[in-house]
Amino acid sequence: GENVEQHPSTLSVQEGDSAVIKCTYSDSASNYFPWYKQELGKRPQLIIDIRSNVGEKKDQRIAVTLNKTAKHFSLHITETQPEDSAVYFCAASKGGYQKVTFGTGTKLQVIP
Amino acid sequence: DGGITQSPKYLFRKEGQNVTLSCEQNLNHDAMYWYRQDPGQGLRLIYYSQIVNDFQKGDIAEGYSVSREKKESFPLTVTSAQKNPTAFYLCASSIKTDTQYFGPGTRLTVL
Repeated sequence: GENVEQHPSTLSVQEGDSAVIKCTYSDSASNYFPWYKQELGKRPQLIIDIRSNVGEKKDQRIAVTLNKTAKHFSLHITETQPEDSAVYFCAASKGGYQKVTFGTGTKLQVIP
Repeated sequence: DGGITQSPKYLFRKEGQNVTLSCEQNLNHDAMYWYRQDPGQGLRLIYYSQIVNDFQKGDIAEGYSVSREKKESFPLTVTSAQKNPTAFYLCASSIKTDTQYFGPGTRLTVL
């Protein structure tokens, strides 16, 4: 089955700096890659996603890149703010109703 | 997100007891999922259902059971066979666009 690895497990950045979280996946048939943000004690919420027919997607300060050949994708957060502090999860699936496999999460701390 | 509800928010279980966690959605989503989250860890899939009256085991189904008698409802029973059930349980639903929307979660503690 699919295996998703996520790095780093923790990340501290100064406010205003950029943060990058990287994930790799094992199943070349995976074609949908969402990113979720989970604040302490809350539910995960989708922040951005990308499908395998594009290489990059951007939404304000957040961007995701996908390299299908290398089977890895990354989340980029620019101009980080304290409210960006949370746990971020990457995930991969083959689309449709196929199950989604999550990474183990990255705890991001933005230091004011 | 407001269309998915879970109850109760907190649940306490005694040894040897079965408990049922509720998950309801009014988003008209076909698929529903149950995940378990342990402190500092990711989301592990317990069961999922793509359609009413059908469901599949996820990665950690042992000690759990589900039913899907209605499109809106996907209850999870934690049986006494689950030896370490203390965790945060998240329900999610999706349409065929893959994006999963999560409920607020139930925190289960074994006494």
